Amino acid sequence: QQQVKQSPQSLIVQKGGISIINCAYENTAFDYFPWYQQFPGKGPALLIAIRPDVSEKKEGRFTISFNKSAKQFSLHIMDSQPGDSATYFCAARATTSGTYKYIFGTGTRLKVLA
Amino acid sequence: GAGVSQSPSNKVTEKGKDVELRCDPISGHTALYWYRQSLGQGLEFLIYFQGNSAPDKSGLPSDRFSAERTGGSVSTLTIQRTQQEDSAVYLCASSFQGSGETQYFGPGTRLLVL
Repeated sequence: QQQVKQSPQSLIVQKGGISIINCAYENTAFDYFPWYQQFPGKGPALLIAIRPDVSEKKEGRFTISFNKSAKQFSLHIMDSQPGDSATYFCAARATTSGTYKYIFGTGTRLKVLA
Repeated sequence: GAGVSQSPSNKVTEKGKDVELRCDPISGHTALYWYRQSLGQGLEFLIYFQGNSAPDKSGLPSDRFSAERTGGSVSTLTIQRTQQEDSAVYLCASSFQGSGETQYFGPGTRLLVL
């Protein structure tokens, strides 16, 4: 119940196309859903995040769509660029007595072709 | 200001040896997390610190793993009697507990056990 399932494992998109990465969870107590971007040799960096009371959040070319009833959320990268080539992780946060624990998906390796 | 730093950046050790990995969080961040990232895998939660105490040690894979944090700042992850399956990237992240939301990751320590 603590898992976050992420798909696809890898994704190849043409420059200018839309990249879509999906995540699903079981624990309805999760209260915060961030996406992280990781370049080779670097630590993950927060890209965009959403709370479960919101169905969509957009920041520039990046959009999170959140479906609470289906317990799914997805990252959409519009107008994908070669510089977006990286590994993307979704995550879900469980809050217990003021402490926070994050469960991460297994990652999606995105390659955007020039 | 400086981000999260980790040392060493790379560590090669022989099976059976002990290793210490260090994390310097962002100044003022009260929450500190350790994760393990194996090749092609997601981030596996190891331990969480709030100040100097560890309310959640549930992710430590065995009693060979331990961690401490002193002065509410620097943290050390110790792996005793290393095994080849301990080879991974060990990531540290810190956050301002008031928000508990944005985790800032260090670049990681790449551990190879021969």
